[in-house]
Amino acid sequence: RKEVEQDPGPFNVPEGATVAFNCTYSNSASQSFFWYRQDCRKEPKLLMSVYSSGNEDGRFTAQLNRASQYISLLIRDSKLSDSATYLCVVNRGGSARQLTFGSGTQLTVLP
Amino acid sequence: ETGVTQTPRHLVMGMTNKKSLKCEQHLGHNAMYWYKQSAKKPLELMFVYSLEERVENNSVPSRFSPECPNSSHLFLHLHTLQPEDSALYLCASSQAGRGGNTEAFFGQGTRLTVV
Repeated sequence: RKEVEQDPGPFNVPEGATVAFNCTYSNSASQSFFWYRQDCRKEPKLLMSVYSSGNEDGRFTAQLNRASQYISLLIRDSKLSDSATYLCVVNRGGSARQLTFGSGTQLTVLP
Repeated sequence: ETGVTQTPRHLVMGMTNKKSLKCEQHLGHNAMYWYKQSAKKPLELMFVYSLEERVENNSVPSRFSPECPNSSHLFLHLHTLQPEDSALYLCASSQAGRGGNTEAFFGQGTRLTVV
């Protein structure tokens, strides 16, 4: 089983739609969680951190369920510019090697 | 502007060449990473340095040799590469501590083509 698993997609949604991505992680000792965005042929960039109480940044909402070892990202009112690959990242803490990336979920927002 | 700078941005090399990729971070972080991303594939972690000590080597072939002379600089030395090594090579840094890592910041990558 992979340490961090995501549905690879692709997700093709119309502009204005709401879309949700899920991510599961296998190590219950994981401490930090992030969502990254990667545009085609570019480097990944931090979208938002994920906090235990859930957090929101504009149209983006991240949730963490430690009991189920599950992270989600909700995008409301999708824009064309949201088209990208979304990467789930988990860190177990301690030494640096514990930063682990999921394989990413591809999103295309259609006009 | 990114706090992590990679050079060169593009590199074409023959299978018998020796070249080096350079990464520099200006964020005061204590951990640096090399990742490989082949076309339409996920990120693959290659090496991790924490406090200038290599803490992870993910079964990377010996034709890739990392070097971390200080906490701000990271190199990836390349020799006798194969065409399948053509990929985007990404450097990242983060701050490692007892409570875990801060988020990683990436450089813009070196797009490597081996001919």
